[in-house]
Amino acid sequence: AQSVTQPDIHITVSEGASLELRCNYSYGATPYLFWYVQSPGQGLQLLLKYFSGDTLVQGIKGFEAEFKRSQSSFNLRKPSVHWSDAAEYFCAVAFFKAAGNKLTFGGGTRVLVKP
Amino acid sequence: EPEVTQTPSHQVTQMGQEVILRCVPISNHLYFYWYRQILGQKVEFLVSFYNNEISEKSEIFDDQFSVERPDGSNFTLKIRSTKLEDSAMYFCASNVEQIGNQPQHFGDGTRLSIL
Repeated sequence: AQSVTQPDIHITVSEGASLELRCNYSYGATPYLFWYVQSPGQGLQLLLKYFSGDTLVQGIKGFEAEFKRSQSSFNLRKPSVHWSDAAEYFCAVAFFKAAGNKLTFGGGTRVLVKP
Repeated sequence: EPEVTQTPSHQVTQMGQEVILRCVPISNHLYFYWYRQILGQKVEFLVSFYNNEISEKSEIFDDQFSVERPDGSNFTLKIRSTKLEDSAMYFCASNVEQIGNQPQHFGDGTRLSIL
């Protein structure tokens, strides 16, 4: 069965420190890969996406992610977190289909930022 | 930047009642989706809609659920006879074409509380 795993449910990081969120997927082929962020009471905002090409992708808010085919991973990173980065982060995958494509989400990682 | 808008932001309904959740996708988008997120759980795909018909649905999307695009701008999710377990945050999403070219844009969600 297809699945997306985010092994870390919670991560606490100090402001200014680096952040890495893990995401692994289980599919027969390389899917399209996404990271979304959800602030409390708000919807899902796209941080970045990978479709093909360069395996290191840049996103908004200073985030980047690296696709590693050999590890079936798409980990999200930020060199220096800000207090406003406290939120829940979701990794998601999709496959190309002719009439719409469902996203399959991981369970999310809640990030807490200490002052 | 255009947004997906959802109304209401919070809906409280008695068990067994019908509820309609409304969404206005981005105007030039062609593919529409509903997802739900039960409190503390992952975001789950419900249904995708293209060219005025359902293109894919999950096993969650049973006969109690229906979707409609009544007037070319709104996209609605109806639950005919709500159950306690329907309490969740419901997200609408849209994209302009197959996901290989454009990611899905999400609304802020409707929190549905069944009493």
